[in-house]
Parts: sequence; C-alpha cells; structure tokens
Amino acid sequence: DQQVKQNSPSLSVQEGRISILNCDYTNSMFDYFLWYKKYPAEGPTFLISISSIKDKNEDGRFTVFLNKSAKHLSLHIVPSQPGDSAVYFCAASEGVTGANSKLTFGKGITLSVRP
Amino acid sequence: GAGVSQSPSNKVTEKGKDVELRCDPISGHTALYWYRQSLGQGLEFLIYFQGNSAPDKSGLPSDRFSAERTGGSVSTLTIQRTQQEDSAVYLCASSLGQSGSEQYFGPGTRLTVT
Repeated sequence: DQQVKQNSPSLSVQEGRISILNCDYTNSMFDYFLWYKKYPAEGPTFLISISSIKDKNEDGRFTVFLNKSAKHLSLHIVPSQPGDSAVYFCAASEGVTGANSKLTFGKGITLSVRP
Repeated sequence: GAGVSQSPSNKVTEKGKDVELRCDPISGHTALYWYRQSLGQGLEFLIYFQGNSAPDKSGLPSDRFSAERTGGSVSTLTIQRTQQEDSAVYLCASSLGQSGSEQYFGPGTRLTVT
C-alpha cells in the first residue's frame, strides 16, 4: 500500500520553462514533507521541505506547495536548467510531531530538461 | 566535512550466503537510518537508530535482516541466507535526530544476489 504516490514516472521540459512535479499521500498523520533529488550512482540529496502548518515554501528556483485538504504537494522548478535533470523523490514523515522521523518515499519521477 | 560513507559500493553474492553492509554516519549525528531501493521502486524504510533508544525495526522485511549500531556511530546491516529478492541498493542516512532535521544519505551499496 503506497502511502506516498508519484503517479507520473517521467517528465520532460524545455530549458527555461517551469517543471511541476506532483505528489499525493494517503496517510493523514504525515506532517512534514520533503523533496530529494538523486543522480545515478549517488545517494539522494535534500532539496526542500515543508511543514504541514505552511502551504508554501520557497528556496531560490524551487518552491513546494502543500494542499492538506487534497493530500497533495507539488514541486515547482523555475526556470528549469539541464543540471536539474535527475530523479526526484517525494517523501513524508510524522517527524515534526512524532518521535520517529523515518521517511516514507514515493517511487520517484525522472525529470529531463532539454537544452 | 565528510558525508555519510558506505562500504562496499557493490557486492555480488551467491544465494544463501550472508552479507554485511557498513555505514559510517556524519560525525555528531545521533540518528541513523537504513533504507533500500529495489528496481523501479521508491526507497523503503528498514530500520532506525536514535541515540541510546531501542531501534525501530518495523521496516525489516524478515528475520534474516538485522542491524547494529556500535558506540552510537558505525552501523552494520546484516542479511543472512540471502535471496534473489534481496537484490537492491541499500542506502544509509544520518541526521541530527531533532524533529524535522534533514537526513543526509550515503551513496549506497548495490547488492546483487545470484
């Protein structure tokens, strides 16, 4: 039973355009959400996070939006750059309020940014 | 500073053999996590250590899997009597252990069971 779902396996966008990566979750106990970026043969690296008390968090070109009622979050990258090409994982935890901050991950989405 | 390191980077073993995977977390990080990523899947939580507390083993798929963390630092994940379905990339992460703190991942160990 997938508690974090990334339904699109891949996304291709033109350099300079916006990339929108979507993520849905089913567990209402999740209160902290993260995006990780992964290059081949490397471990995931943290990109951006959002607590459930917010609906938006911005860091440079990256913005995460959270819609709690819809149990949906999205990552916006603008403008997209070829170096953004990687696999992006959405993750969630009960970490802010819970004692155990283990992460539940989606299957990932492969982003390709065309020059 | 040094990140999370894991060894070996690749391991090929025969079905039925035992394997040990090692993780060196970032110095000062009290929390350590093991995950695995099977082909075409997301990262799956295995086990979590936090300080001197009893580990959360709720993600271990069977009793063939075990992990230790010695001295609050290095951790070893052991898989006994390996099966082909154990083939995956095993990832270790560490964090400061505070609520909402970021997890830093190592490069992983790719395990192939033949």
